[in-house]
Amino acid sequence: SQTIHQWPATLVQPVGSPLSLECTVEGTSNPNLYWYRQAAGRGLQLLFYSVGIGQISSEVPQNLSASRPQDRQFILSSKKLLLSDSGFYLCAWLRDGNSPLHFGNGTRLTVT
Amino acid sequence: AQSVAQPEDQVNVAEGNPLTVKCTYSVSGNPYLFWYVQYPNRGLQFLLKYITGDNLVKGSYGFEAEFNKSQTSFHLKKPSALVSDSALYFCAVRDIGAGSARQLTFGSGTQLTVLP
Repeated sequence: SQTIHQWPATLVQPVGSPLSLECTVEGTSNPNLYWYRQAAGRGLQLLFYSVGIGQISSEVPQNLSASRPQDRQFILSSKKLLLSDSGFYLCAWLRDGNSPLHFGNGTRLTVT
Repeated sequence: AQSVAQPEDQVNVAEGNPLTVKCTYSVSGNPYLFWYVQYPNRGLQFLLKYITGDNLVKGSYGFEAEFNKSQTSFHLKKPSALVSDSALYFCAVRDIGAGSARQLTFGSGTQLTVLP
């Protein structure tokens, strides 16, 4: 069966520090991968998605970036965090168009 | 463009009573529709989906949803609510004609509280 791992679960970082959040998927190959941010426990904002290694599409211009160095690995990064980057970050994968998105358990990021 | 509306931010229901969480959608073509549930500090869990076929879709934990094309709705229902059903519920839609990579449009979420 397929599983998705996301870490860390919680993270507290000072303003201006770098960020690296990692997501890996097991049990499938060539999935579509996604990063979402959820603010205030409500709406989901799509940040990035990837249809293959090295292929990244950005949905929202900001100081975050994403990379996909391996087929089942998706990384969210920032060189310098802002207070506004605080939120709940969710990684998700998709097998095909008829399938649902499958989400990881998320990372709660607090920028202080 | 596609969109989803969840008109109720909060729904309260007594345990044992039926529950309904409303969702309406807008797509240019035919929709794929999904419901997800989110517990505090957790990711979204898939509940059920409508792709094609029967308008009444059954999913996990006793939930079901009815696809109504004329009303462009996909309301989530459960005959008898449990306190453990209390969570945040999201409806999502994708236009069948859209590229799958762009994926789903989510509603703003409905907080369901089941009162003991």
